[in-house]
Amino acid sequence: DAGVIQSPRHEVTEMGQEVTLRCKPISGHNSLFWYRQTMMRGLELLIYFNNNVPIDDSGMPEDRFSAKMPNASFSTLKIQPSEPRDSAVYFCASSFRLGEKLFFGSGTQLSVL
Amino acid sequence: KQEVTQIPAALSVPEGENLVLNCSFTDSAIYNLQWFRQDPGKGLTSLLLIQSSQREQTSGRLNASLDKSSGRSTLYIAASQPGDSATYLCAVVSGGSNYKLTFGKGTLLTVNP
Repeated sequence: DAGVIQSPRHEVTEMGQEVTLRCKPISGHNSLFWYRQTMMRGLELLIYFNNNVPIDDSGMPEDRFSAKMPNASFSTLKIQPSEPRDSAVYFCASSFRLGEKLFFGSGTQLSVL
Repeated sequence: KQEVTQIPAALSVPEGENLVLNCSFTDSAIYNLQWFRQDPGKGLTSLLLIQSSQREQTSGRLNASLDKSSGRSTLYIAASQPGDSATYLCAVVSGGSNYKLTFGKGTLLTVNP
C-alpha cells in the first residue's frame, strides 16, 4: 500500500481564497483524522471520521473550516475564506480502527498571504 | 482535559549513547499510548504502541515503558545513531466513550557523529 496520500504537498494562496486539501487513507482503514501542526500549538486534532461519519469536529477552529468524507477512500478539508493565521501544516492520518496504530500522510504545507 | 508534556524539549547526545525521552500525562484513564518519530518536513511515523494494560513494548533498539498510575511513559533508545536524529512525540488515547488522541509537543533529538 502507498500509505496515506495527501495533496497538494504545498499550497500558497491569498487571504480570502478558498483552499481544499485532499486525503486518501490507507485502503481498509475505517478511521480518518485531520490534524494541524504549528510551532506554537503543536499538533491539534481538527476532526475525525469513523466509517465515513464525522464523529468529533470540536477541534475545527471556526465555521470557515469544513470537512467531508464522501466515501471510504477520500476526504477533503476546506477553508473558506482562508486567513493568514490558517498557515500551518495540515496532516491527514488513518487507522484500521479507532485507537489503533495511526498512519500519517506527508502533510500539506499551507501558506496564506 | 488531558494534557501531555514532554521533557526535555531538545536533547543533543554523542553517537553511541543510550538515552531516555520522557512523556507525562495528566489523566491516567487512557486507552493506549503511542510514540512517533517526525523527520523535518515529513509526517509522523508510529514507532511503538502500548496498550493501557501493558507495561512496555520493544522494537529493535527502542523500548517504551508505561506507568499509567503515575501518568508517565519513557522511550529508551539504545546505542544512538545519527539517523535517530528527529523529533519524537508521544500521544495518548483517552479512554471512555469519546475517543481523544492528545499529542505532546515533542522532543527534538540530535545525535552527533
